[in-house]
Amino acid sequence: DTGVSQDPRHKITKRGQNVTFRCDPISEHNRLYWYRQTLGQGPEFLTYFQNEAQLEKSRLLSDRFSAERPKGSFSTLEIQRTEQGDSAMYLCASSFSPGQGINEQYFGPGTRLTVT
Amino acid sequence: AQSVSQHNHHVILSEAASLELGCNYSYGGTVNLFWYVQYPGQHLQLLLKYFSGDPLVKGIKGFEAEFIKSKFSFNLRKPSVQWSDTAEYFCAVNDENSGYSTLTFGKGTMLLVSP
Repeated sequence: DTGVSQDPRHKITKRGQNVTFRCDPISEHNRLYWYRQTLGQGPEFLTYFQNEAQLEKSRLLSDRFSAERPKGSFSTLEIQRTEQGDSAMYLCASSFSPGQGINEQYFGPGTRLTVT
Repeated sequence: AQSVSQHNHHVILSEAASLELGCNYSYGGTVNLFWYVQYPGQHLQLLLKYFSGDPLVKGIKGFEAEFIKSKFSFNLRKPSVQWSDTAEYFCAVNDENSGYSTLTFGKGTMLLVSP
């Protein structure tokens, strides 16, 4: 069963460093989503792609956050000049959505980021 | 903007007790509704979903949820919980405003079932 995979699972970085996370969706899933989850909260939507097109990015937390999905397969989420407030679990999800309507998202295990 | 409220942050039950977790959402238009579960050390998994039709939906592991449109609610139920149901439960919604793309989650309810 090849579900959504994320790499790395854990990342510890120093404030001011850049970090990049990778997500591999379920094959044949055309949509890919990034969420952030902090302690005591549910996942918070950041951005999503349909194939290689980034259809929604206004919810990215700041211009330090960027995401790509260059060939419509895997995606990367980059955080530049990390701050302690960026410490969180970053979740990736994917879905197969032929159009508007039914959209069942499958989540990966997440990347836990700790900024020291 | 859509918001989702889960009434209880922590619930403690004994095995065989009945469970009901509350979920209310704010958007008054057409919505899709989900319950996700996160077992200790595991990733989020879909428990059940409502898109249309019968408002009483059944999911995995004996869980069910009822969509009551007039109350903007989608409460999760299980008649008899087991120790293995210990997990965090999240209610989530997407709506026509977002093209049914982005999920809005509640804060989650941590369920602890004592044997």
